[in-house]
Amino acid sequence: AQSVTQLDSQVPVFEEAPVELRCNYSSSVSVYLFWYVQYPNQGLQLLLKYLSGSTLVKGINGFEAEFNKSQTSFHLRKPSVHISDTAEYFCAVRESSASKIIFGSGTRLSIRP
Amino acid sequence: EPEVTQTPSHQVTQMGQEVILRCVPISNHLYFYWYRQILGQKVEFLVSFYNNEISEKSEIFDDQFSVERPDGSNFTLKIRSTKLEDSAMYFCASNGAGDNQPQHFGDGTRLSIL
Repeated sequence: AQSVTQLDSQVPVFEEAPVELRCNYSSSVSVYLFWYVQYPNQGLQLLLKYLSGSTLVKGINGFEAEFNKSQTSFHLRKPSVHISDTAEYFCAVRESSASKIIFGSGTRLSIRP
Repeated sequence: EPEVTQTPSHQVTQMGQEVILRCVPISNHLYFYWYRQILGQKVEFLVSFYNNEISEKSEIFDDQFSVERPDGSNFTLKIRSTKLEDSAMYFCASNGAGDNQPQHFGDGTRLSIL
């Protein structure tokens, strides 16, 4: 069965500092990987996705993530965060043959001025 | 950019009552989903729907739940007799044809059972 682990429930970071949000997954078959962002009182917005090809994927708002198959990881990074990046970030996985998405428990990113 | 829209944004219902949550998926999408997020917990898959039938459902999606596409635009989730533990944020999602199409989510309906 698939699972997604986000080890950090909260990550506080100073404005303009770099950030990495960690995500590990487990699956016995090939998967697609996603990061979604949830701003306060809003729905889930797709940040970026890995389907195949280059292991480094770039998304919206300056975020990027790197797929590492050997470590079964898909960590999200941004070189310099802004106050507006304050949100909950969810890593998610979908088996290539399935329809449902399995979400991690989320990481709350809080930006300090 | 086209969006998935959900109504109402907040629904308050007495325990035991029926509730219908409504969603309008993106117009050319063919695959539809419902997820829920209990406060402070993970987003959980409930059900997927394609070609007018359920394609997959989770253990959560028991006989109290049903989905319907009553016309060409709406996709509804009905809970027949609500329980306190049904209180959650319910998200609708849709995606187009193609194995690699990402799911687009609505802003959710917050369901509060009293």
